[in-house]
Amino acid sequence: AQSVAQPEDQVNVAEGNPLTVKCTYSVSGNPYLFWYVQYPNRGLQFLLKYITGDNLVKGSYGFEAEFNKSQTSFHLKKPSALVSDSALYFCAVRDPLSGNTPLVFGKGTRLSVIA
Amino acid sequence: DVKVTQSSRYLVKRTGEKVFLECVQDMDHENMFWYRQDPGLGLRLIYFSYDVKMKEKGDIPEGYSVSREKKERFSLILESASTNQTSMYLCASSPPTGTLYGYTFGSGTRLTVV
Repeated sequence: AQSVAQPEDQVNVAEGNPLTVKCTYSVSGNPYLFWYVQYPNRGLQFLLKYITGDNLVKGSYGFEAEFNKSQTSFHLKKPSALVSDSALYFCAVRDPLSGNTPLVFGKGTRLSVIA
Repeated sequence: DVKVTQSSRYLVKRTGEKVFLECVQDMDHENMFWYRQDPGLGLRLIYFSYDVKMKEKGDIPEGYSVSREKKERFSLILESASTNQTSMYLCASSPPTGTLYGYTFGSGTRLTVV
């Protein structure tokens, strides 16, 4: 079975500081991993993905994520947070060995960037 | 620009009503999904479909049904709405190998059942 955990419900960071939103996963094979962002009263928007290759993945709006197989993590990072980054962030995983099963999403982490 | 369109942003229905939530995508995607989103529970999969007239139950199908008569349209049906179905409903689509590319989501329908 595949699963994903976002251990923090809320992350607060000052504007200009680096931010990290944590995600850990559990799959039987090599995972496909995704990050999505949701702004208020909107659907989810794709930020970035890891399928294979370099462990550091760069995505939209200056975000990046690092795949760490030994720690089964895929933390989302940004060197300098903006107030406009305040949103709800979801990590998602799929085990490609599980057939064409849907993505499994974490419960989300609310990021609040304070000016 | 590719789009997933959900017909209503906000909807208020009475307990016991039959409710239809419509989702249309213009990307010729085979896969379509319905999720509900609740605070603290994240996204939970209700139903999904990999082709016309096909449907699969997700994690929480009870109280819901779906219809996919055309490739571009995936409807979620609440047979008899109840207050515990008050939620944000999100539709998504993807190509057949969609999990290489992720999903495209609609803007959501916030349903209130009174």
